[in-house]
Amino acid sequence: LAKTTQPISMDSYEGQEVNITCSHNNIATNDYITWYQQFPSQGPRFIIQGYKTKVTNEVASLFIPADRKSSTLSLPRVSLSDTAVYYCLVGPMDSSYKLIFGSGTRLLVRP
Amino acid sequence: GAGVSQSPSNKVTEKGKDVELRCDPISGHTALYWYRQSLGQGLEFLIYFQGNSAPDKSGLPSDRFSAERTGGSVSTLTIQRTQQEDSAVYLCASSSYQDSSLGEQYFGPGTRLTVT
Repeated sequence: LAKTTQPISMDSYEGQEVNITCSHNNIATNDYITWYQQFPSQGPRFIIQGYKTKVTNEVASLFIPADRKSSTLSLPRVSLSDTAVYYCLVGPMDSSYKLIFGSGTRLLVRP
Repeated sequence: GAGVSQSPSNKVTEKGKDVELRCDPISGHTALYWYRQSLGQGLEFLIYFQGNSAPDKSGLPSDRFSAERTGGSVSTLTIQRTQQEDSAVYLCASSSYQDSSLGEQYFGPGTRLTVT
C-alpha cells in the first residue's frame, strides 16, 4: 500500500481556510485517496474520498493533481470544533480493504 | 440509526490475564475490522472479517490474539496472557459495500485496555 507523508501538526484560527497536504509518491493506478478525522477519545470518522481532480462535500474539498502524487484536504472556515487529527490514507477499493493509518496531522484551531 | 458499539468502554486487567473485547457492528454491515491505537499513535490494522470468515488476519501481533465473528454480526477479540505492551485503545469498524463511498468504514468508540 502506498505510504503517505503529511505534516505532523498545523495551527489555524477560527474562520480561516485550512489546507492539509498529503504526499503519496508511490500511489498505484487503482488506489483511492481517503481522509478521516479523529477527535480525542473517539474512533476516526470518514470525511471525503476521491480518485482524481476535485471532490467536494458538505464538510470539505479534496484536490488531487493530475499525477496523483499528492492531495490536499481543504477545510473552509474552520471552527474550534475542527480541532482534531486528520489522516490521509491511500489504498485500493476492494473487498479486503483495510485502512493503513499514518501518524496524521494534528490540527489546532485557536479562537 | 445505531452506530457501531463496543464493550467494555474501559478495561483494566492484570498482566497474564485473558480479556475479551466485544464489537456490535451496524446492522447489515458484512465487513468488520479490528484496529488498535497506542497512545499518540495512528491506528494499526489487526483483522478483517467478511461475514463470519476472516480472510485477512495479517495484523494480529501474536498468537495470543484471536478473533471470531458469529452470525455475521457480533465479533469478539480475545487477548490471552495479556502483556503491558497490549495496552491500547482497540477500535472496531464495520462497512457495507452498498454505501456510496466504497471503503468508508464506521468506527465504534473503542475499548481502552490497560494492562497493569
